[in-house]
Amino acid sequence: GAGVSQTPSNKVTEKGKYVELRCDPISGHTALYWYRQSLGQGPEFLIYFQGTGAADDSGLPNDRFFAVRPEGSVSTLKIQRTERGDSAVYLCASSASGSSTGELFFGEGSRLTVL
Amino acid sequence: KNEVEQSPQNLTAQEGEFITINCSYSVGISALHWLQQHPGGGIVSLFMLSSGKKKHGRLIATINIQEKHSSLHITASHPRDSAVYICAVSVGGGADGLTFGKGTHLIIQP
Repeated sequence: GAGVSQTPSNKVTEKGKYVELRCDPISGHTALYWYRQSLGQGPEFLIYFQGTGAADDSGLPNDRFFAVRPEGSVSTLKIQRTERGDSAVYLCASSASGSSTGELFFGEGSRLTVL
Repeated sequence: KNEVEQSPQNLTAQEGEFITINCSYSVGISALHWLQQHPGGGIVSLFMLSSGKKKHGRLIATINIQEKHSSLHITASHPRDSAVYICAVSVGGGADGLTFGKGTHLIIQP
């Protein structure tokens, strides 16, 4: 596709359930970022991939959160044993090189609601 | 950790006014991004800069590396400029995840 695609756009789940959020970056972009945005707040960094490897996962809040990018393109953010505090918009962005040198392109986000 | 502060948090202005949004940060950076987010919409990148000044249409972004400060200006503002404007910085050197400000909520009234 022409832009960054995220699915699902909305996800409602119950506390304790497992959730997967998918990001399909712009073709050829090696850098991929996951962010989380709570209502009224700026986005918060979660994890950054350069190719297949997680170059920086310092933003993941705890071990319930995990992300993969096995082939260096599509990435999946996985949340285990969801909690109500996980409710937020999860944003994905990609860049041809990285945020230090290149423009970022954002997806529309996946809105997660944990009941 | 880099602290990114934006001001003002909220700004309401009349159509045609010159708008300035400020961003300051605490740690040296490799790049600063200005982003725009419409209600319910995704984020669009406006500028990425590491020095000097950039202009795109009615938007101008400046950065002063020594003072750790950047400004986003909008000339001849229009109601369609109403959005949240977010400043984000990259430290670089492998630590490439952006640190974001909380955003400035801009409303331009006709």
